Parts: sequence; C-alpha cells; structure tokens
Amino acid sequence: KAGVTQTPRYLIKTRGQQVTLSCSPISGHRSVSWYQQTPGQGLQFLFEYFSETQRNKGNFPGRFSGRQFSNSRSEMNVSTLELGDSALYLCASSFGGGVPEAFFGQGTRLTVV
Amino acid sequence: AQSVTQLDSQVPVFEEAPVELRCNYSSSVSVYLFWYVQYPNQGLQLLLKYLSGSTLVESINGFEAEFNKSQTSFHLRKPSVHISDTAEYFCAVSGQGGSEKLVFGKGTKLTVNP
Repeated sequence: KAGVTQTPRYLIKTRGQQVTLSCSPISGHRSVSWYQQTPGQGLQFLFEYFSETQRNKGNFPGRFSGRQFSNSRSEMNVSTLELGDSALYLCASSFGGGVPEAFFGQGTRLTVV
Repeated sequence: AQSVTQLDSQVPVFEEAPVELRCNYSSSVSVYLFWYVQYPNQGLQLLLKYLSGSTLVESINGFEAEFNKSQTSFHLRKPSVHISDTAEYFCAVSGQGGSEKLVFGKGTKLTVNP
C-alpha cells in the first residue's frame, strides 16, 4: 500500500511569486490536512479537506489556500510569497471518519529567497 | 480548543537508560492523543495512539504511553533506549467529533548517547 506522496520534495522560490504543492493521500483515505513546520512556530495546522470540502481552517492569511479533487488528491497554494513562508509543508491523510489516525508524507521543503 | 505542552525541549540520555518524555494537554472536550516521531529531513511517523479503552498503549518498538485523564497527561516512556531512537518526538491531541485537526506540542528532541 503506497504511503502519502508529496511533490515536489524541495522548492526554491523568490519573494512575491506563488507556489503550488501537491499531495496524494493513501488509497481509500478521504481526509487530507496540511501543516506548516518551522523551527520557531513548530507544527501549525493550515487546513483540512474532506470529500472536496474544506472542513477546518487554521489561522493563516488568505494567501494560503487549498483544494481537494474528487480522487482525494489535494493541492495547496501560497500566493505572494514572503520570506517567512519558508518552511516544511506536511500533508497528512486519514480515513475521515472522525478518528484522526493521520499518516504523513515526507513533506515539501519550501525556501523563499 | 485544544493545546499541548511538552515540558522538555531536549532530553539527552545514555544508551540503555530509561527515558520519559512528558506531555500535558488542555481540552474542553474528550480527546484522542498521539505520539509522532520525526527523523531528520523526514515527515512524521505515528508512534502510538490513545483512542479509547485501556489507558496504557504500546508501540511495536518498545515505547509506551499512559493516558491520565485526571492529570491531563500522556507521557511517553521507554525502559531502555537505543542510539536509533534519537529523533524528535511530538505529542498531539485532537478533539473527538468532526474535524481531524491535530494540535501539536513544540516537540522534544531526544538524543541517545553511546
């Protein structure tokens, strides 16, 4: 059974640009959540999607957005990148039945220069 | 809303010594509790979970954690650590019902020295 796949693994972008990160969940999982990990703030919840609908959202500015497709794959987008957006972005998938036994991908390391 | 406090940011121990990583949580609703481990440049791996039932939960590699509702704690223990246990450990909580959002502690960096 394949795990959670995130692409790309590494990304370097310039301030002001936008970026799209992709996440393919474990087969059969319908919930996908995104987290930002930084040394200063730790792991922070961005948003959760279930059956193509955003079910929960963290405290991030509107520059951060996401979506989920009918095959449960998810993308997150960050527009007008800032230096502070440099982080490891982690995607987690779970069945979506209310018990968050989440499995994480390897993450995408975003560096904004 | 939930919150998690991991009381130690770094824990150095010698190989074969016992270790306890402390985790306290706060929540106004019933919770699920988790421990995740992260190796350098990797994602998070689920180590063990408390969903319901027995308050003592165990992992396949010798770690155990005990859910203590009265003390709102979920400390992680291992009686004898190995060099390979060196990693960062995160305690996480999720409120029961609906969203599967996880709230994480700041993490504890466990370093096992020879």
